[in-house]
Order: sequence, then structure tokens, then C-alpha cells
Amino acid sequence: GENVEQHPSTLSVQEGDSAVIKCTYSDSASNYFPWYKQELGKRPQLIIDIRSNVGEKKDQRIAVTLNKTAKHFSLHITETQPEDSAVYFCAASPNNFNKFYFGSGTKLNVKP
Amino acid sequence: DTAVSQTPKYLVTQMGNDKSIKCEQNLGHDTMYWYKQDSKKFLKIMFSYNNKELIINETVPNRFSPKSPDKAHLNLHINSLELGDSAVYFCASSPRTSLAKNIQYFGAGTRLSVL
Repeated sequence: GENVEQHPSTLSVQEGDSAVIKCTYSDSASNYFPWYKQELGKRPQLIIDIRSNVGEKKDQRIAVTLNKTAKHFSLHITETQPEDSAVYFCAASPNNFNKFYFGSGTKLNVKP
Repeated sequence: DTAVSQTPKYLVTQMGNDKSIKCEQNLGHDTMYWYKQDSKKFLKIMFSYNNKELIINETVPNRFSPKSPDKAHLNLHINSLELGDSAVYFCASSPRTSLAKNIQYFGAGTRLSVL
């Protein structure tokens, strides 16, 4: 089965700096990679996703990159703000779209 | 309208009891899921249901049984609760098509505490 590893487990940055979270996956059949943000006590919510036929995707301050050969994908947040503080999860989904394998999460703390 | 709603929000119970958590989605999605999030925040899929058919069971003890009366509902029944079952349980749903974005929408979660 798929194995998704996520690093770092915690990340502390100063407001305005960039934050990068990295994930690796093991199953080459995975072709959909969403990222979720979970604020304290709230539900996970999708913030950005990427398919295996795309190498990079950007949405305002958030971007995701994918390297299929190396089987890793990363979340980049620029100009971080205190409201970006949350736990971020990466996930990988294989062709059938009915399985989602989550990384262990990264707790991001943006210091004002 | 809440897209994915689950009840109750909090559930406190004694070891050995049987309990159920309900989940309903009004998005017309074909697939629904149950996840367990433990104290370390690790999110692990438990079940996935598509058109009333169980398509995933990720090594979950058989004390846990999903029940889907129709496409819009996926309830989670737990028998003989154990201390280790304490966690937050999330329901989610997504459309089942390779042509559309397979975005998962999560419910607000049910915090289960087994005493």
C-alpha cells in the first residue's frame, strides 16, 4: 500500500517569511495530491491540490510542486501570516480515487 | 447548509459500551469516508463507502462497523468500546469520478472519550 511521509512535524517561522512542508510517497500509482489545513479544533479543509500531470500549481500565497520521478511534493507558503498557523496535512490518492493516504501532519506556527 | 454533518459533536462513554456516530452529506457525492484522528493528530482512514458498497477497510477492528442506509448517510457503530478508541472521528465525502476534482469535504468531527 501507499506510505506518505511528511516533514517537518513542527515548523515555526516569523511573520512574512516563507514556509515549506515536504512529503514523499511510495506508490507510483498515486496521481492526486491534496493539501489540507486544519485549524485547532476544526475540520481539515482543502487548500490546494495537484495532479500528476502537472509539476507546479499556485494559488496566491500558496504553491505546490510535484516531482513524480522522485515521488515527492511540497507545499510552499509565502509571506506567512499569523492566521496561517495550523496543522497541514499532505495526502496521496491512487487512480481509483477512493483511497486517501495522509501524511502525519506539520504544525505550523507563524510568530507575529 | 452544512455540507457534511455528523452527530454528536462530543461523546463521553464508559468502556464496554456500544455507541454510534451519524454522518450525512447533502452534496450528492458518491463516496463517504470515516477517519480517526488520534491525540498525535495523525489522520487515518478507516472506511470508504461507494454507492452502499464497502470498498476499503484499513485494518480496523471488527468492533467498528459502518452502516450506510443510503448514499447520503454513513454511520459508524462501535461495539465494546475500549480506552484506545478515544479520538476524534471525522466523516468525509467526495465525488467518485476521475474527471472531476476529487475534493474531500470533512464533517466537523466527533470527539469520543472512553472512560
